[in-house]
Parts: sequence; C-alpha cells; structure tokens
Amino acid sequence: KAGVTQTPRYLIKTRGQQVTLSCSPISGHRSVSWYQQTPGQGLQFLFEYFSETQRNKGNFPGRFSGRQFSNSRSEMNVSTLELGDSALYLCASSLAVRGTTEAFFGQGTRLTVV
Amino acid sequence: DQQVKQNSPSLSVQEGRISILNCDYTNSMFDYFLWYKKYPAEGPTFLISISSIKDKNEDGRFTVFLNKSAKHLSLHIVPSQPGDSAVYFCAASVEMNRDDKIIFGKGTRLHILP
Repeated sequence: KAGVTQTPRYLIKTRGQQVTLSCSPISGHRSVSWYQQTPGQGLQFLFEYFSETQRNKGNFPGRFSGRQFSNSRSEMNVSTLELGDSALYLCASSLAVRGTTEAFFGQGTRLTVV
Repeated sequence: DQQVKQNSPSLSVQEGRISILNCDYTNSMFDYFLWYKKYPAEGPTFLISISSIKDKNEDGRFTVFLNKSAKHLSLHIVPSQPGDSAVYFCAASVEMNRDDKIIFGKGTRLHILP
C-alpha cells in the first residue's frame, strides 16, 4: 500500500510569508504527527492529530498550527515565517495514538526561508 | 531539557565490525523505546523497539539492549554493512499513556568504512 505522502517536497519562501504543508497518511491510519528536523536538533515534535482532534502539542510558538480532515489527511501551517523556520518538516502516520504503535514517516518537506 | 540524549553526533565503524549506538534518557516514566534509521532525502524508518519489561530485543543483525537502572539503551549492529550508513534516532515514550508523545534524540550519524 502507498506510504505517507508529503507535498510539496521543496519550498522556498520569504520572511513574513505563510506556508501550508500537506500530509496524506497511510490508508487506515488515523494518527498523524508532525516533526521539525534541523541540523543538531534532531526531530522535534510539533503536534499530533487523531480523528481530527489535536491530541498533543510540542513547544513551538502559535505561528505553527495544524489540522486534520475527516479522511485523516493533515495540513500544517506556519505564519509569519522566520529564517529559523528553515528545516525539514516530517509527517508520520500510525494506526493509533502512541503506545506501541510505530510511526511511518513521509519523505518530508524541505522548507527554506530567505 | 533533553529527555532523550544521543551524545555521539557521529560514529565510524569498519565494515564487518560491530556498531554500537548509545542513547540515554532522563524520564523514568519512559517504558517503550524505539530506534529509527534515516537516509538523506528520506523520512526515518522504524528499525527496532523494546518494551521496558525486556532488557534485550533482537531482530536479525540488530539488537537493542535496555538498562533501566542506568536509563540507558544501545543499538548493536552486527556485522556492520555499507548500507547501514545513516542517521540513527533513538526515541522513547510512555506506553501506557496514549496521550504522550514520542520523544526523539538528536541522532547519531553512522559511517561504515570499507
């Protein structure tokens, strides 16, 4: 079956703009998590959605927001972009929320803010 | 405060030898641990996991050891192969608390030398 699909793969934006990233989870997976990966910082958790509800949120400013649709697809939005938002944004899907359920990651969206 | 620490940013190992990647955690509530592997331009992929009721889990060339008293886990790869060159992320979560997020370490880049 198809894996996790993230679009777009690459994005260049200027400071102050806003951006929306999309994630389509594996069919049947209801949990979608978003992570930010920057050099030296590993994978930092942004938020998790399950059945259209945000179940958990990481320590990111309110400029970072997300939502999940009824088909489990999720979008992540970053407003008023800053240079430090340049990173690889990864989406992961899993069958259920946390516990022993392994997450499957997409290839990520590489965002560059100039 | 980093709850999951991978203190070695990189590691070089001769092909055929054993690779040992280490991970320490601070939160004693963590009871489920995972290792992910990430190639450049790809999302992380699940490698192996271990529950705190065990101290060892083996899957082919990969073995994870857990030392709960020391809050330490390690991933052993034997024998190391060129395709093992990647970034390895250690992650931890609280299995019983389904609302808790998975916490990732910063990763260790493994280079397998010919």
